[in-house]
Amino acid sequence: ETGVTQTPRHLVMGMTNKKSLKCEQHLGHNAMYWYKQSAKKPLELMFVYNFKEQTENNSVPSRFSPECPNSSHLFLHLHTLQPEDSALYLCASSQDGWGTEAFFGQGTRLTVV
Amino acid sequence: AQSVAQPEDQVNVAEGNPLTVKCTYSVSGNPYLFWYVQYPNRGLQFLLKYITGDNLVKGSYGFEAEFNKSQTSFHLKKPSALVSDSALYFCAVLYNTDKLIFGTGTRLQVFP
Repeated sequence: ETGVTQTPRHLVMGMTNKKSLKCEQHLGHNAMYWYKQSAKKPLELMFVYNFKEQTENNSVPSRFSPECPNSSHLFLHLHTLQPEDSALYLCASSQDGWGTEAFFGQGTRLTVV
Repeated sequence: AQSVAQPEDQVNVAEGNPLTVKCTYSVSGNPYLFWYVQYPNRGLQFLLKYITGDNLVKGSYGFEAEFNKSQTSFHLKKPSALVSDSALYFCAVLYNTDKLIFGTGTRLQVFP
């Protein structure tokens, strides 16, 4: 295990639902990330939090809303998603982002129906 | 713009043979380069990185990578492949201090 835990592992939701993905790390890291992994596409960086401040919002639609209440937890709130949002959502953390390696969770497999 | 290219969708190699997974990059300034591996139903795992120093970087599981500035490449290598090395491999470049940009990934298949 990498020390980064994501819940749930699998999620099926309707387009009108609201759900949240959770990521937790107790590695003492200060930077946390959300990535989207779709088939045959590069991993897409969605959001970056460094010392709890959002430093990147990579043109992500507003139906995805991140929250970082403390340096150990990161959430991704989902509402009114589209079927094309179905993907594997990966959370990662790193010490501080300055060339330090990222540790990834196992991901949440999201299916939007 | 910072970018990473992995020109091969899949690499096939026989067990015991050397393997190479290719990566080229485009960055402004000095590159920070990484390799990650993803096994089925798992997140990505760090293999190795190049920040500065020796162009040949050694990492986990016997992998190494060679940084070549003139060719803007950072190819992943292993002298003798194992069936258990079969996985999806990602090259990545760090930009703006805390943003890792990944390539599309290369699936490595090692045959017995």
